[in-house]
Amino acid sequence: EVQLVESGGSLVQPGGSLKLSCVASGFTFSNYWMDWVRQTPGKSLEWIGEINTDGSKTNYAPSIKDRFTISRDNAKSTLYLQMSNVKSDDTAIYYCTRGAYWGQGTLVTVSS
Amino acid sequence: DVVLTQTPVAQPVTLGDQASISCRSSQSLVHSNGNTYLEWYLQKPGQSPQLLIYKVSNRFSGVPDRFIGSGSGSDFTLKISRVEPEDLGVYYCFQATHDPFTFGSGTKLEIK
Repeated sequence: EVQLVESGGSLVQPGGSLKLSCVASGFTFSNYWMDWVRQTPGKSLEWIGEINTDGSKTNYAPSIKDRFTISRDNAKSTLYLQMSNVKSDDTAIYYCTRGAYWGQGTLVTVSS
Repeated sequence: DVVLTQTPVAQPVTLGDQASISCRSSQSLVHSNGNTYLEWYLQKPGQSPQLLIYKVSNRFSGVPDRFIGSGSGSDFTLKISRVEPEDLGVYYCFQATHDPFTFGSGTKLEIK
């Protein structure tokens, strides 16, 4: 069974940094591109970015480019989202996804 | 960026009736490889989104045949026949043809 479990969400001050993790199981992690998607309170979904199988290629949404970095550790079957210089607009539930499969999400709140 | 416009915003429906949701794209979603990467997701209250349809009209594993995706180019439709209580929630279209990938703003399927 495919499972994706996010962690690392918390309260962070504007301008601060945070690193989210997503541990994958039930499939060969190194064979799949992975994505991050977020959902702001009461609003729609926003695709953040993706990473290829070996971590050599990433694509990002313009709203977070140059502030967020996606990486992976295939030996640990883990996907990461490094968030820097966060803003109040970054407050959201963050999901890691493998196409049809989504984690339960982790909540990031940006507030002073 | 590609803008996906979903209508209606809310769709009141009687259980057992048919519902129809439209998703129009600001540009064609036909990829250079000939595929059209238009997907439909359902997010039930308190849950992560779940994939219903991929590449316009292909039902994901376990999705009932009451869900029918159709369309081409920049105009797509999701039809749900014989609506059941477990179909209620917010439906999103999503395009993965053009970078950055984007979601529609959602259509809430609710009881009339």
